[in-house]
Amino acid sequence: AQSVTQLDSHVSVSEGTPVLLRCNYSSSYSPSLFWYVQHPNKGLQLLLKYTSAATLVKGINGFEAEFKKSETSFHLTKPSAHMSDAAEYFCVVRGPREYGNKLVFGAGTILRVKS
Amino acid sequence: GAVVSQHPSRVICKSGTSVKIECRSLDFQATTMFWYRQFPKQSLMLMATSNEGSKATYEQGVEKDKFLINHASLTLSTLTVTSAHPEDSSFYICSASAWASYEQYFGPGTRLTVT
Repeated sequence: AQSVTQLDSHVSVSEGTPVLLRCNYSSSYSPSLFWYVQHPNKGLQLLLKYTSAATLVKGINGFEAEFKKSETSFHLTKPSAHMSDAAEYFCVVRGPREYGNKLVFGAGTILRVKS
Repeated sequence: GAVVSQHPSRVICKSGTSVKIECRSLDFQATTMFWYRQFPKQSLMLMATSNEGSKATYEQGVEKDKFLINHASLTLSTLTVTSAHPEDSSFYICSASAWASYEQYFGPGTRLTVT
């Protein structure tokens, strides 16, 4: 069984300051992990993904995440927040192909960026 | 590449009527499509997985007779909400995956409101 826990339902930062969105995962298998962003009433946009290659993954819009197996974490970071980063972020774990390629979503973290 | 569209983007229907939502892969052949629903301020929940030419596999708790899924071609899947009720109001999102790709590409979502 797989699951993800997003440790914060809301995060508020000032523009220009660092962003940290926390995610812990549980998986019986070697996981694939993703971060998606969703702006209000919009679909999902893939920010980045980890699929057992480099543990530090760089994504779009300056975001990156580090896979830490010992801590079962996959936190999302950005050095400097921009107003346009305000959105909801989902940490997602994917099961192995033989189990149907299903994605399991975390509860989401709403990021607020203050000017 | 890997663009998925949904139609309509927004629909309002009366209680007791049925509504059909289309999901199309525009530039690739989607052997598998997934349907999710997202209640306000909640995460995405997988409803069903459909493989082209086969019956959909529904997640536990999802009524297959209420949410009819058809995946008759490699570029189109439809979700029909039958005899809709206000509690079916939600944001429905599809994703599509090509054979051997293992990646899911998300549509922009459909906002269903049942009055």
